[in-house]
Amino acid sequence: GESVGLHLPTLSVQEGDNSIINCAYSNSASDYFIWYKQESGKGPQFIIDIRSNMDKRQGQRVTVLLNKTVKHLSLQIAATQPGDSAVYFCAENMLGGNGGSQGNLIFGKGTKLSVKP
Amino acid sequence: KAGVTQTPRYLIKTRGQQVTLSCSPISGHRSVSWYQQTPGQGLQFLFEYFSETQRNKGNFPGRFSGRQFSNSRSEMNVSTLELGDSALYLCASHFTGVGGEQYFGPGTRLTVT
Repeated sequence: GESVGLHLPTLSVQEGDNSIINCAYSNSASDYFIWYKQESGKGPQFIIDIRSNMDKRQGQRVTVLLNKTVKHLSLQIAATQPGDSAVYFCAENMLGGNGGSQGNLIFGKGTKLSVKP
Repeated sequence: KAGVTQTPRYLIKTRGQQVTLSCSPISGHRSVSWYQQTPGQGLQFLFEYFSETQRNKGNFPGRFSGRQFSNSRSEMNVSTLELGDSALYLCASHFTGVGGEQYFGPGTRLTVT
C-alpha cells in the first residue's frame, strides 16, 4: 500500500500477544498527542488521544502512556489481532485557546505492526 | 455521517505542469488540513484552513497553495510540478472545539513523471 514507508521500524507479534509501540516526540510545548492507524490504501484512522495533563488513557483494547519528562509516548494493544496489522503513527499538537486541537499535526515516522496468526 | 472525500484518487502529471486536488470535509467541520506523505519524509503538514482563512502553514515552498470555500470544501494546488512532489496527499477535517480529532480522507496519489 502507498502508506507504508520503505524503512519503517517493524514490530512482529503473535496473535493474542500484547503489542507495545513507542514514539519519541519533538516539541516540549506540545500538549496534545494522538495515535493513528493506517492500513494499506487508506488514510490514517484515529485510535486514541491524550492531553498533557494525563499520563495514561485507556480505550477499547488500547492504552496510551505519556512520559513528558523524556518526551515519550507509547501505545499498548492488548490481545493483538490480525486486523491490527497496519502502520501506526504518533502525532503531536498544541491545543488552541478554546481547548480544541489545531490542524497542524506533527507526525512521527511510523511503526509497522505485523501480526502472525 | 459521510466521511472526508478526496478527488481524484489517482493522478499522473508531467514535470512542469500544475495540479489541483479537492477535499470535502465531514459536514459541520470547518477546519481542513492538508498533509503530504512520502516514504522518505513520512507525513508532513502542508497547511490548515479554517473559515476560508489559512490558519497554519507548514514548511513547503510557495508552489504549494490552497484555499477553502464558504461550504468548507478545500482545494490545494501545486504549480510547476517536480518529480519530488510525487506523494500521497491527505486531507483531514476536524471540529475545532474540545474533543475534535482529525478525520482523514483516503488521499490522492499523485505521480509526477
